[in-house]
Amino acid sequence: AQRVTQPEKLLSVFKGAPVELKCNYSYSGSPELFWYVQYSRQRLQLLLRHISRESIKGFTADLNKGETSFHLKKPFAQEEDSAMYYCALRAYNTDKLIFGTGTRLQVFP
Amino acid sequence: NAGVTQTPKFQVLKTGQSMTLQCAQDMNHNSMYWYRQDPGMGLRLIYYSASEGTTDKGEVPNGYNVSRLNKREFSLRLESAAPSQTSVYFCASRKQGDTEAFFGQGTRLTVV
Repeated sequence: AQRVTQPEKLLSVFKGAPVELKCNYSYSGSPELFWYVQYSRQRLQLLLRHISRESIKGFTADLNKGETSFHLKKPFAQEEDSAMYYCALRAYNTDKLIFGTGTRLQVFP
Repeated sequence: NAGVTQTPKFQVLKTGQSMTLQCAQDMNHNSMYWYRQDPGMGLRLIYYSASEGTTDKGEVPNGYNVSRLNKREFSLRLESAAPSQTSVYFCASRKQGDTEAFFGQGTRLTVV
């Protein structure tokens, strides 16, 4: 069965500090991993996907198959990064898309 | 191009009442999803549909039914609402072969 775990409900940092939001998954096959973000009063939207190996808004995430992790990182947090972040998994070649419990990131000035 | 539209935005039901949450997308997407969002529980998949006429159970399907009558619309029905179904419900859609899912603005449902 597919499962996504985000161990932190809340992460609070000061502006300029590094940020790491943890995500672990369990799935025996080939997963596609994503990070979605929900800013206050906005719709949930895709932040980045592992297959793109891209950096969006300074965030990066590397898929580590050995540790079954897909942690989201940013070297210097900004106040506008404050939001709810969800890690998500889709089994390759299926339509089932599941999410973790989410981590609220608060960036203080 | 409205994207994913959910109706209603807010609803209060009494225990035992029934209602249907509507979702429509105008992006010609094949896959559609219903999730519920609860504090501390994140987003949990209720049902999903890979294409018109097909539906599959997600993580928490009990107490819900869905209908995918055409490509655009995917409705979620609560036959006999319970207070445990108080939640924010999100609909999403995704183009086959693409990885990004697009979300609606949510429906806040309260069952008293």
